[in-house]
Amino acid sequence: SSELTQDPAVSVALGQTVRITCQGDSLRIYYASWYQLKPGQAPVLVIYGTNNRPSGIPDRFSGSSSGNTASLTITGAQAEDEADYYCNSRDSSGNHLNVVFGGGTKLTVL
Amino acid sequence: QLQLQESGPGLVKPSETLSLTCTVSGGSISSSSYYWGWIRQPPGKGLEWIGSISYSGSTYYNPSLKSRVTISVDTSKNQFSLKVSSVTAADTAVYYCARLSKYSDYDWIYAFDIWGHGTMVTVSS
Repeated sequence: SSELTQDPAVSVALGQTVRITCQGDSLRIYYASWYQLKPGQAPVLVIYGTNNRPSGIPDRFSGSSSGNTASLTITGAQAEDEADYYCNSRDSSGNHLNVVFGGGTKLTVL
Repeated sequence: QLQLQESGPGLVKPSETLSLTCTVSGGSISSSSYYWGWIRQPPGKGLEWIGSISYSGSTYYNPSLKSRVTISVDTSKNQFSLKVSSVTAADTAVYYCARLSKYSDYDWIYAFDIWGHGTMVTVSS
């Protein structure tokens, strides 16, 4: 079972704001990253270090964290944002680079 | 621009060993700022981290797979590889290779910033 928990599915109306959450005890200590997966495409890193956007990622994507929950917010969702989103962070094993992914959230843009 | 490309058999028989290679192009695999990882996604399921390796050969494995997984690196070929032994149908998945970037070691900020497109591996007789 995953140490990071995500809602399986979320929907948002075109142009509206949506928040996707990721819960886990390790998030109280370690930063989260977020990935966008579309069928047939390479996964894309959209947020790292909880709230940093890599070059080329639109500024409508933002991240935050509070307690044991990390969040990915899309402000003004576009049709092309419809995808699966996964959070990722260090796991609780104690090994420096052991990581874990959340179960993923399927985002539907209506 | 750095690119990663997975290669290997798309079909493996049960109980045999799955072997994949990731070729890194457009940059060197030999940097202390990066690690190199394998992640998989079974059909209809989520992402699962398999393991990661440094250019010097330090390895980190998912505890649930550790007994069957070996990751190695060949800096002369700019490649790293994955072997999963004693495979079953549960190992059927899309296998991705990815670069794990170290943004801050002190604050532990790491992320898989560049991914290959993935390769489908089916375990079946």
